[in-house]
Amino acid sequence: DAKTTQPNSMESNEEEPVHLPCNHSTISGTDYIHWYRQLPSQGPEYVIHGLTSNVNNRMASLAIAEDRKSSTLILHRATLRDAAVYYCILRSYGQNFVFGPGTRLSVLP
Amino acid sequence: DAGVIQSPRHEVTEMGQEVTLRCKPISGHNSLFWYRQTMMRGLELLIYFNNNVPIDDSGMPEDRFSAKMPNASFSTLKIQPSEPRDSAVYFCASSPATGRQNTGELFFGEGSRLTVL
Repeated sequence: DAKTTQPNSMESNEEEPVHLPCNHSTISGTDYIHWYRQLPSQGPEYVIHGLTSNVNNRMASLAIAEDRKSSTLILHRATLRDAAVYYCILRSYGQNFVFGPGTRLSVLP
Repeated sequence: DAGVIQSPRHEVTEMGQEVTLRCKPISGHNSLFWYRQTMMRGLELLIYFNNNVPIDDSGMPEDRFSAKMPNASFSTLKIQPSEPRDSAVYFCASSPATGRQNTGELFFGEGSRLTVL
């Protein structure tokens, strides 16, 4: 399975932008970059995914490096509700989602 | 849509007892996954089904664990006999049909927290 590397934890202040990094130097051409997050006492939920181009949705933005060896999940204005564990996952068609330890984001009021 | 529904939400049982966890996937989804989450090992895939057929059960810890999907709207994960090390949160997830243009987003249930004493 393709591997990703994320910081164990990050902190942010409420209403400020948050940039969550993910390194995936062994990414293959068919790997999509997925982000999920897990709020306390809940199952993981989908955040965003992309292949090569940057992506935006109502939850976040995904910035993908030109060589695709890293990506950044951007939360434009962190709220207390965004405190969660964020998982960066590489997945090709037909493969399973393999969750690593993720980044635990704390949001300070 | 009610989302993925799991039951029970909490289960406390004694070592040696049989445990059955249940999952109702989102209607129309054709893939179903069972994950286990512990502090030590994180989120691990146990087994997944495609069109009710088990495709990959390599994550099932041992013979004490079994999973079935008798129809498209129901799956069970059974542990017999249960042991204290099986204590974890068990998540069920479903996914719509995956094509080369569809990355098959996972939709998770709220989990079943199992405690084996």
